[in-house]
Amino acid sequence: AQRVTQPEKLLSVFKGAPVELKCNYSYSGSPELFWYVQYSRQRLQLLLRHISRESIKGFTADLNKGETSFHLKKPFAQEEDSAMYYCALMNTGFQKLVFGTGTRLLVSP
Amino acid sequence: GEEVAQTPKHLVRGEGQKAKLYCAPIKGHSYVFWYQQVLKNEFKFLISFQNENVFDETGMPKERFSAKCLPNSPCSLEIQATKLEDSAVYFCASSLQGSNYGYTFGSGTRLTVV
Repeated sequence: AQRVTQPEKLLSVFKGAPVELKCNYSYSGSPELFWYVQYSRQRLQLLLRHISRESIKGFTADLNKGETSFHLKKPFAQEEDSAMYYCALMNTGFQKLVFGTGTRLLVSP
Repeated sequence: GEEVAQTPKHLVRGEGQKAKLYCAPIKGHSYVFWYQQVLKNEFKFLISFQNENVFDETGMPKERFSAKCLPNSPCSLEIQATKLEDSAVYFCASSLQGSNYGYTFGSGTRLTVV
């Protein structure tokens, strides 16, 4: 069975501090992993895909198959990063995204 | 267009009434998905379509929920005889066939059952 676990419901940091939002997954196949962000009252937006190995808005995420993790990191948090962050795993057979329960990031001045 | 368009933005129904939600996927996207987001922020998968065919309906409460994606029409999600626990934000998303780009989400329809 596929499962995505985000152990932290809330992560509160000060502006300029490093951020790491944790994500662990279980999946029997080769995973395709994503991070989505939902700013207040806005639609869910794709932030990162693991296959592209890109950096968006200063965020990066590395797939660690040994630890089955895909943690999201940013070295210096900004106030505008405050949002809900969802880690998601794609079940490629059914083209279905399985979401974690989300982590709310709150960046204070 | 390049956005997934969902209507209406808000919908209020009395218990037992019918609710119908609409979603226009991005042109050229062959997969459409419906998710339900309740207060705990969890996204529950409901159903997916590949073009106008049901692809995966494992998440649908079949007694009262139904969905369609007909050619040249917005997709729809219909709830017969709504219950209080149906109150949620319903998100639609679309994606390219065989995509590893993830989905593009609509802005959601907030359904409130009173």
